[in-house]
Amino acid sequence: GESVGLHLPTLSVQEGDNSIINCAYSNSASDYFIWYKQESGKGPQFIIDIRSNMDKRQGQRVTVLLNKTVKHLSLQIAATQPGDSAVYFCAEIGMDSSYKLIFGSGTRLLVRP
Amino acid sequence: GAVVSQHPSWVICKSGTSVKIECRSLDFQATTMFWYRQFPKQSLMLMATSNEGSKATYEQGVEKDKFLINHASLTLSTLTVTSAHPEDSSFYICSARDARGLVGELFFGEGSRLTVL
Repeated sequence: GESVGLHLPTLSVQEGDNSIINCAYSNSASDYFIWYKQESGKGPQFIIDIRSNMDKRQGQRVTVLLNKTVKHLSLQIAATQPGDSAVYFCAEIGMDSSYKLIFGSGTRLLVRP
Repeated sequence: GAVVSQHPSWVICKSGTSVKIECRSLDFQATTMFWYRQFPKQSLMLMATSNEGSKATYEQGVEKDKFLINHASLTLSTLTVTSAHPEDSSFYICSARDARGLVGELFFGEGSRLTVL
């Protein structure tokens, strides 16, 4: 079945610390993975992506790690800032003809000042 | 950057009425659009894939007669919630794929919050 979260776990971090948000994906055939940030009442915003032939990709203050063996994805945010407070979702795209984007369960990140 | 616009951003309606939500790609052509529903404190659940000029493909458990999708042009897809009931109250979000872009390049609208009284 599709991976859909039924509740949102919360990660609370101190401003300036690093954050690590984890995600387990469901489809071993998925080829492409994306992390999104969603603020309250808004649509998802793209953060960073990674293809299945990579295990790490870095952006500005963010790093995504992919472990295909255990179907695990993580998002690392360096020097977390108050503006990083949001809900974070991982999403996967399977390389079938529809290229559907399926969201995983989210994590709420709270940054303490 | 690419922009996807949804309208209305919020709507309140009486039970039994139908509500139409529009999703427009403002500066690119979208052969494929996706409709999601999101309940409070939950993830986005894919409802259907909307393809320009053809019938939408619905995910398992989503009633196609309840959620009518029309993708009549390369820049517009509409979702109509027919005979809405309070349990249909949710945040509906569309995303669009640029026909000229990468498979993974999807642009999201800002969502439409539906409240059915």
